Amino acid sequence: SQTIHQWPATLVQPVGSPLSLECTVEGTSNPNLYWYRQAAGRGLQLLFYSIGIDQISSEVPQNLSASRPQDRQFILSSKKLLLSDSGFYLCAWASYRGQGVQAGANVLTFGAGSRLTVL
Amino acid sequence: LAKTTQPISMDSYEGQEVNITCSHNNIATNDYITWYQQFPSQGPRFIIQGYKTKVTNEVASLFIPADRKSSTLSLPRVSLSDTAVYYCLVGDKSDSSASKIIFGSGTRLSIRP
Repeated sequence: SQTIHQWPATLVQPVGSPLSLECTVEGTSNPNLYWYRQAAGRGLQLLFYSIGIDQISSEVPQNLSASRPQDRQFILSSKKLLLSDSGFYLCAWASYRGQGVQAGANVLTFGAGSRLTVL
Repeated sequence: LAKTTQPISMDSYEGQEVNITCSHNNIATNDYITWYQQFPSQGPRFIIQGYKTKVTNEVASLFIPADRKSSTLSLPRVSLSDTAVYYCLVGDKSDSSASKIIFGSGTRLSIRP
């Protein structure tokens, strides 16, 4: 069965410090991978998504970056954190679920999340 | 990707059936409708997906009318543990833009004793 691991679960970082969040998926190959952020009381914001190694699309902010060095590994980084980077970061991978060979829509499976507090 | 519209919040009581409706007027022919549930401090969890008519699983039912411009997630006999945010999404895996999965604001469901 497929599993997704995300770490660290919690971290507190000072403003201006670097960040690295890591996500790995097991039990599948060529997954689509995603990073979302959820600020307190807010909705899910898509940060990055990747359809393959070194194929990453960015939806947002310049001080965050993502890399996919291996098929099932997705890393979120920052060189200098801002206060506004605080939030709940979620990694996810997409699987197909539906009838037939071609039909259906991507279904996301999320990791447990990483709660980042920037002080 | 088709845009969806859901009520911001809903309240109900334990034991009641709850129906959450999602509007997706611009749904494309090949789009599927997917619902997720999110508890605090957790990622969203897949509930159900459908294309037309009715889909049922152990958690919920999904009703989709013939014109597919809306869908209704039905939760039978809710309990306190069903208090969560529910998201409706539409998309088609074969669409080149389908990889970009964006969540709307969702519906915050509160269940009271």
